[in-house]
Amino acid sequence: GENVEQHPSTLSVQEGDSAVIKCTYSDSASNYFPWYKQELGKRPQLIIDIRSNVGEKKDQRIAVTLNKTAKHFSLHITETQPEDSAVYFCAASKRTGGYNKLIFGAGTRLAVHP
Amino acid sequence: GAGVSQSPRYKVAKRGQDVALRCDPISGHVSLFWYQQALGQGPEFLTYFQNEAQLDKSGLPSDRFFAERPEGSVSTLKIQRTQQEDSAVYLCASSFGQSDTQYFGPGTRLTVL
Repeated sequence: GENVEQHPSTLSVQEGDSAVIKCTYSDSASNYFPWYKQELGKRPQLIIDIRSNVGEKKDQRIAVTLNKTAKHFSLHITETQPEDSAVYFCAASKRTGGYNKLIFGAGTRLAVHP
Repeated sequence: GAGVSQSPRYKVAKRGQDVALRCDPISGHVSLFWYQQALGQGPEFLTYFQNEAQLDKSGLPSDRFFAERPEGSVSTLKIQRTQQEDSAVYLCASSFGQSDTQYFGPGTRLTVL
């Protein structure tokens, strides 16, 4: 089955710097890659997603890139702010039986220091 | 509108007790997922419903875990004879269609003593 690895497990940056989180997946049939942000004790919230027919997607300070050949995708956050501090999870899925069974990475704890 | 809600938010059970965790998805959402999130880990898929039909239960860790969604809206995850290894946050997610964005609830933190 699908396996998703996420690096780094922790990331500490200064406010205003960029942060990059990388994920690799094993199943070449995976075609949907969402990123979720989870603050302490809160629900995971979707921040951006990408499908396999697109190589890059951007939404304000957040961008995701996908390399299907290498089977990896990355989250880029520019001009980080303290409120970006949270745990970020990547996930991969393929439409099995018509639905997205998300397989998550182990998460990256991002700390943005003022 | 209202998001996915779950109850209770916290549950403490003695080993061997049965528990029932409730999920209220976003109104009109066809698809409903249950995930288990161990401390410091990403969510792990447990089971999937399309309306009232449970189409995938491949992630349920043992036959002590049972989920239902009898009327295609509210879902209940039941764990029988709880064990310490069942301690985790149980997350519910719903989506409008089968492959649309999944919206998560706040989770139920289960602690088995």
